[in-house]
Amino acid sequence: DGGITQSPKYLFRKEGQNVTLSCEQNLNHDAMYWYRQDPGQGLRLIYYSQIVNDFQKGDIAEGYSVSREKKESFPLTVTSAQKNPTAFYLCASSIAHASNQPQHFGDGTRLSIL
Amino acid sequence: AQTVTQSQPEMSVQEAETVTLSCTYDTSESDYYLFWYKQPPSRQMILVIRQEAYKQQNATENRFSVNFQKAAKSFSLKISDSQLGDAAMYFCAYRRGGNQFYFGTGTSLTVIP
Repeated sequence: DGGITQSPKYLFRKEGQNVTLSCEQNLNHDAMYWYRQDPGQGLRLIYYSQIVNDFQKGDIAEGYSVSREKKESFPLTVTSAQKNPTAFYLCASSIAHASNQPQHFGDGTRLSIL
Repeated sequence: AQTVTQSQPEMSVQEAETVTLSCTYDTSESDYYLFWYKQPPSRQMILVIRQEAYKQQNATENRFSVNFQKAAKSFSLKISDSQLGDAAMYFCAYRRGGNQFYFGTGTSLTVIP
């Protein structure tokens, strides 16, 4: 079955440490996204990518970095510059330039500070 | 800028009854798409229903239907015959011609047995 796989499900970060969240999709989607979800704030866009080797900042990109070297993969790095990284992170993908198509989501990664 | 507003942080409904969740959005575009997603306690985001702005007919998926009022920029979700499994966070989302989606802050629905 096609879908989006996020790993790990739970992740712990020490102070000053960078951590990377994995997102892989086999839906052949061009567009991929990273969202952060905090209680009462819905989904906030961190980064998105419309095509390989290209990505754009979302509303809360500071302290995060991404890469898109392969169509299937869009890893998110939470750097030590992100002072409040504790949140639930969702990866999504969609068919690009097809407005009637929804996003498909992974099961998420919960990041906590040690 | 596009914004999506869900003014009801929490709602509750008796099992087997009907509930309506509100969503309004702000846009200057004429062609766009609207979606409702459900997020149960498992945190998985599940597409519930979608609506194309150029269609006047309201979308329906089994017990889920929308009331789309384009002029009022309103897109409410009606759940009929509510079931315990409907308990979840519900998010309204907007997409126009580009690849960016805009989400509301969500409504937490409780279903009372």
